[in-house]
Amino acid sequence: KQEVTQIPAALSVPEGENLVLNCSFTDSAIYNLQWFRQDPGKGLTSLLLIQSSQREQTSGRLNASLDKSSGRSTLYIAASQPGDSATYLCAVSNSGYSTLTFGKGTMLLVSP
Amino acid sequence: GAGVSQSPSNKVTEKGKDVELRCDPISGHTALYWYRQSLGQGLEFLIYFQGNSAPDKSGLPSDRFSAERTGGSVSTLTIQRTQQEDSAVYLCASSFRGREVTDTQYFGPGTRLTVL
Repeated sequence: KQEVTQIPAALSVPEGENLVLNCSFTDSAIYNLQWFRQDPGKGLTSLLLIQSSQREQTSGRLNASLDKSSGRSTLYIAASQPGDSATYLCAVSNSGYSTLTFGKGTMLLVSP
Repeated sequence: GAGVSQSPSNKVTEKGKDVELRCDPISGHTALYWYRQSLGQGLEFLIYFQGNSAPDKSGLPSDRFSAERTGGSVSTLTIQRTQQEDSAVYLCASSFRGREVTDTQYFGPGTRLTVL
């Protein structure tokens, strides 16, 4: 059974810092990996999707990497802003038609 | 265009009552998913619909939970004889599954269910 772990569970940084969120998964035979953002009381917003054949994806100040063989992914946020404050969730799919297995998330607080 | 919508946004019910939660997916999306997010827990898969295929019900926690999707669009998740442990946020997501099977799931805002 696939299990996804995210470290740290919570992170507090001052505005402007670069930061890294970590995600690990137990079954390396994944199809793709996604990073989501969840704001309080709201649904999830997809940030980046990495196919199993890819090593990284970039969107603006966000960069996600994938090391499938070691079962790890990182989400790098450059020049953090207070608006980045949210819970970040990592999720993996084990086949093209399978559902997602989620980690419990990292709660990020960026202080002005 | 409109995203995934869910109703109600909040539902408070008494233990033992039945509840129905509704999801309107993005128009044209063939796949629809239900997840549950309990306090302190990650998102837990419940059920998955893809086109006219039989749904994947492997995530439903008990036979008190059921879901249907009418006309390949709107879906209703029904919980019978609700228990306090059913209290959670129920999230619906949809995605386009055509020839390209790898896609992004778009989530609704969720329904917060509280069972007293």
